[in-house]
Amino acid sequence: NAGVTQTPKFQVLKTGQSMTLQCAQDMNHEYMSWYRQDPGMGLRLIHYSVGAGITDQGEVPNGYNVSRSTTEDFPLRLLSAAPSQTSVYFCASSYGESYEQYFGPGTRLTVT
Amino acid sequence: GENVEQHPSTLSVQEGDSAVIKCTYSDSASNYFPWYKQELGKRPQLIIDIRSNVGEKKDQRIAVTLNKTAKHFSLHITETQPEDSAVYFCAASMPTLKLSFGAGTTVTVRA
Repeated sequence: NAGVTQTPKFQVLKTGQSMTLQCAQDMNHEYMSWYRQDPGMGLRLIHYSVGAGITDQGEVPNGYNVSRSTTEDFPLRLLSAAPSQTSVYFCASSYGESYEQYFGPGTRLTVT
Repeated sequence: GENVEQHPSTLSVQEGDSAVIKCTYSDSASNYFPWYKQELGKRPQLIIDIRSNVGEKKDQRIAVTLNKTAKHFSLHITETQPEDSAVYFCAASMPTLKLSFGAGTTVTVRA
C-alpha cells in the first residue's frame, strides 16, 4: 500500500493564482482531513470529510474549498492564493473518528 | 471549539533522563487524545493515544496519563535516547473528528 500520497511536494504561486493540492489514499479510509502547519502553531484543521460526498469546515476554512467525489481522493483548492497561505499542507486519513490519522508527506506552498 | 494548550514549547534533556510534556484541553466532550511525533522535514506519526475511559497507557518507554476532571493529559518518555529528539504534538478530539492540536514541543536529547 502507498498509504496517503500528496502532490506536488513543493509549489510556488503568485498572489491571486489558484491551484489544487492533490491527496489520495489506498487504505479505504472513510475519514480524510486537510491541515496546515505553521511555525509555533501546530497543525490546524482546514476541512474534513467523513465519507464520499460529505465535507465540513475545520478551524481555518477561509480561502479553501474541498470536494470528495470518491473514497480515495480529497483535493484541496486554493481559490485566490494569498501570502498568508504560505504554509506546509498535510492531508490525513483515518479508519474512523477517534482512530489513528495517517498523514501524507506534505506539500510546501509559498505564495509571493 | 476545542482549545489545546501544550507546555513547554522546548525541552532539553540529558540522554537517559525523562521528559514530560503537558497539555490541557477546554471541551469536556473530547474523548480521544493522541500524541504525534514529527521529525525534521517528515510527516507527523502517531506514537501513543488514550481514550477518555482510560487513565493511563504505556508502550515501552512512552506513557500517557489523562485526568478528565482537570482536563489535562501528559506524555512521559523515560530513558531518553538521541532518536527521541523531535517535535511532539498533543491533540484532542471530539466525536465529530475535529482533531485540535497543541502548538508542539521541540525535544532535544543531549548526548
